[in-house]
Amino acid sequence: KAGVTQTPRYLIKTRGQQVTLSCSPISGHRSVSWYQQTPGQGLQFLFEYFSETQRNKGNFPGRFSGRQFSNSRSEMNVSTLELGDSALYLCASSPYSVYGYTFGSGTRLTVV
Amino acid sequence: AQTVTQSQPEMSVQEAETVTLSCTYDTSESDYYLFWYKQPPSRQMILVIRQEAYKQQNATENRFSVNFQKAAKSFSLKISDSQLGDAAMYFCAYRSASQGGSEKLVFGKGTKLTVNP
Repeated sequence: KAGVTQTPRYLIKTRGQQVTLSCSPISGHRSVSWYQQTPGQGLQFLFEYFSETQRNKGNFPGRFSGRQFSNSRSEMNVSTLELGDSALYLCASSPYSVYGYTFGSGTRLTVV
Repeated sequence: AQTVTQSQPEMSVQEAETVTLSCTYDTSESDYYLFWYKQPPSRQMILVIRQEAYKQQNATENRFSVNFQKAAKSFSLKISDSQLGDAAMYFCAYRSASQGGSEKLVFGKGTKLTVNP
C-alpha cells in the first residue's frame, strides 16, 4: 500500500515569503503529525491532527500553522519565512494506535 | 517535560558484528512507549522496534533487540550481524501514554552508525 506522501520534496523560498507543505497519510490513518528536523535542534514536534482537529501543538511561533482535511490529508503553512526555518519537515501518520508512526520522506525547505 | 538522551553521536561497527546504541530518558510517568527509528540518507524515518513500558520482556525484531531497564530509564538497541544496509542515523524516541491520546514523540539527537565492510 502507498506510504506517506509529502510534496514537494524540495523547496527554495525567500525570506519573508510564505510556504505551504502537503502531506497525504496512509489510507485509513486519521492521525497526522509534523516534525521539524535541523542539525542544531534535531527533531522537534510541530503539531498533530486527528480527525481534522489539532490535538497537540509544539513550542513554535504562530507563524507555523497547519490543518487537516476530511480525507485526512494535511497541510502546514509557514508565514513570513526566516532563515532559521530552513529544515527538513517530516510528516507522519498513524491509525491511532501504539504501533508508532509511519513517516514520509520529508520536504527540504531552504530559505534564502 | 520528558527528555531523551543519546550519548553517542557516532558509532561504527564491522560488518557481521554486533553493536549497541545507548539511550536514556527522563520522565516521571510510569506508562509510556519507547521507539527506535532509523533514518538512512533517503531521509525517511523507519520504525525499527518499539517497547511498551509495562512489558518487562525486551522487544525483538529479527536482528534488532532492545535492553529496556525501566528503573534505570535506559533503552539501548542491539544490532546483531550488522549489514551494510544498517548504516544510518538512529533515533530513540519517547511517547507518553497519558497525553490525552496525543502520539507526540520526543526524540533524542541521534546516533550516526557506520558499518565497515
